[in-house]
Amino acid sequence: NAGVTQTPKFQVLKTGQSMTLQCAQDMNHEYMSWYRQDPGMGLRLIHYSVGAGITDQGEVPNGYNVSRSTTEDFPLRLLSAAPSQTSVYFCASSYSTRGLETQYFGPGTRLLVL
Amino acid sequence: AQSVTQLGSHVSVSEGALVLLRCNYSSSVPPYLFWYVQYPNQGLQLLLKYTTGATLVKGINGFEAEFKKSETSFHLTKPSAHMSDATEYFCAVSDHDMRFGAGTRLTVKP
Repeated sequence: NAGVTQTPKFQVLKTGQSMTLQCAQDMNHEYMSWYRQDPGMGLRLIHYSVGAGITDQGEVPNGYNVSRSTTEDFPLRLLSAAPSQTSVYFCASSYSTRGLETQYFGPGTRLLVL
Repeated sequence: AQSVTQLGSHVSVSEGALVLLRCNYSSSVPPYLFWYVQYPNQGLQLLLKYTTGATLVKGINGFEAEFKKSETSFHLTKPSAHMSDATEYFCAVSDHDMRFGAGTRLTVKP
């Protein structure tokens, strides 16, 4: 099993550009989530999904969109990038329906917005 | 909403000394508690967790943590630090969703 995979590993954007961060898992987990990691702030939940077709907002959802058309994929979209979105983004999945149990993390995407 | 506080963003110990990383939480319901470890340029990996049952839980690499409900704490310990333990550690609590602390960077001095 590859586990949780994320692409790209690193991206530089200009303010106002859009992009999609890709996330896929091969563990048949219903629950998937996106976090951003900033120095001194730990990981903050952006959006999560409890199954295909179902998504919800987390702690810091503004500026981000998600969709979940399949169990395997959970892309994160930045519609108009801002410097405040410079961060490291982690996708995670869990066998627990509501994500309350162990989460399995991808390797992360480092995003720099100029 | 639940929250997590990790006391000390940086902890430094000598090789062979006791490691103690502190975590306090707030939750309106009995929570699940976790410690994750993050190595450079990698995602987080589970170190150990408490869900129900025995309050002293053992994890990988000789780490353990004790759930103390009266103190709302879940401190991480290891009797003898090794150089390879030097990295960042995150405490997390889940009841409605999973929330993480700000992290503690452990330095191990030779």
